[in-house]
Amino acid sequence: SQKIEQNSEALNIQEGKTATLTCNYTNYSPAYLQWYRQDPGRGPVFLLLIRENEKEKRKERLKVTFDTTLKQSLFHITASQPADSATYLCALYTGGFKTIFGAGTRLFVKA
Amino acid sequence: EAGVAQSPRYKIIEKRQSVAFWCNPISGHATLYWYQQILGQGPKLLIQFQNNGVVDDSQLPKDRFSAERLKGVDSTLKIQPAKLEDSAVYLCASSLYSMEETQYFGPGTRLLVL
Repeated sequence: SQKIEQNSEALNIQEGKTATLTCNYTNYSPAYLQWYRQDPGRGPVFLLLIRENEKEKRKERLKVTFDTTLKQSLFHITASQPADSATYLCALYTGGFKTIFGAGTRLFVKA
Repeated sequence: EAGVAQSPRYKIIEKRQSVAFWCNPISGHATLYWYQQILGQGPKLLIQFQNNGVVDDSQLPKDRFSAERLKGVDSTLKIQPAKLEDSAVYLCASSLYSMEETQYFGPGTRLLVL
């Protein structure tokens, strides 16, 4: 069956450290993968997109990698801050105008 | 630029009652999506419109859920009758066109069915 898996347990890190979140998928061949941020009581907000032919994408303190062989994307936040605390969702574009979201990983950054 | 607007923000109803949600997408966005997000899960697509036509409604429980997008702008999602398991946040999103990669989400409507 087709699955998208993100760390179900919350990730707790100290301010200033690098947070690394994982998104694994099976039985998909996504044309691209996206990461969204969701704060409590709000809708998801787009952060980064990486295509199947790209290995890495950066934006300010954010970095995404995409390994289509391992069927995995890693999302990194460097020099993390308490304001980065949120739920981070990965989303795969599976073709046919369809985007599938993972369940998300909650990140807590402690001051 | 105004974002995606949704109303109401919260709704509490009894099971078997009806409820409707409204969404106003970003001006000029041709594609509109309705998602259901159950607590602890990611958003699940219910229906996708391209202008006022349906692109995908494969996961919409059509025996109780309906949606329309008149004139290709605003949209309403209705549940009739509601069940306990419909308790969730209903998110509306829009994008410039179907192949547009970024979706812009509204704040969502939190529904509690008692």
